[in-house]
Amino acid sequence: NAGVTQTPKFRVLKTGQSMTLLCAQDMNHEYMYWYRQDPGMGLRLIHYSVGEGTTAKGEVPDGYNVSRLKKQNFLLGLESAAPSQTSVYFCASSARGDYGYTFGSGTRLTVV
Amino acid sequence: GQQLNQSPQSMFIQEGEDVSMNCTSSSIFNTWLWYKQEPGEGPVLLIALYKAGELTSNGRLTAQFGITRKDSFLNISASIPSDVGIYFCAGMNYGGSQGNLIFGKGTKLSVKP
Repeated sequence: NAGVTQTPKFRVLKTGQSMTLLCAQDMNHEYMYWYRQDPGMGLRLIHYSVGEGTTAKGEVPDGYNVSRLKKQNFLLGLESAAPSQTSVYFCASSARGDYGYTFGSGTRLTVV
Repeated sequence: GQQLNQSPQSMFIQEGEDVSMNCTSSSIFNTWLWYKQEPGEGPVLLIALYKAGELTSNGRLTAQFGITRKDSFLNISASIPSDVGIYFCAGMNYGGSQGNLIFGKGTKLSVKP
């Protein structure tokens, strides 16, 4: 089992460019999440999904959009990247909302 | 919103020493989780706690869910170099269709051989 796979692992964007981060899980989990991790800030929830076709806002959703068209995939989009979105992005999934999450290995995004 | 205070922020210890770190919250949680993150990787679940007062071990790691449901601690006994990493506590209240983790800011552990 691959678990949770994130692509790409690294990316450099210019301010104003757009991109999509892909998260794929092969554990048939219902719940999926996108977090960002910044130095000294821990992990903060951007958006999450409780099932195929559903999405909801987390703590820091501004500047991001998400889609969950297929149960196994959760996409995070940046329409117009800003330097403040330079961060490490982690995707996670869980079988139930009250259980521990499985995290991917992260995407390091730099916006210049 | 809910916030977790995790301490200490960092620890520098000698191999073989015991380690203790804790998390406190201004509000209660139904679930406490402890994760470890190594450089370049995502957090990995170490221990999950679901009941107030629960004490759970995973090898040399022991974690407890505080009686007040507002705190939790993690102990590592006889530390070894591979214990190096950042340890995160996380609290969760699950209800209805929403259940997401609130993370502490982490404790960075360094172990000198």
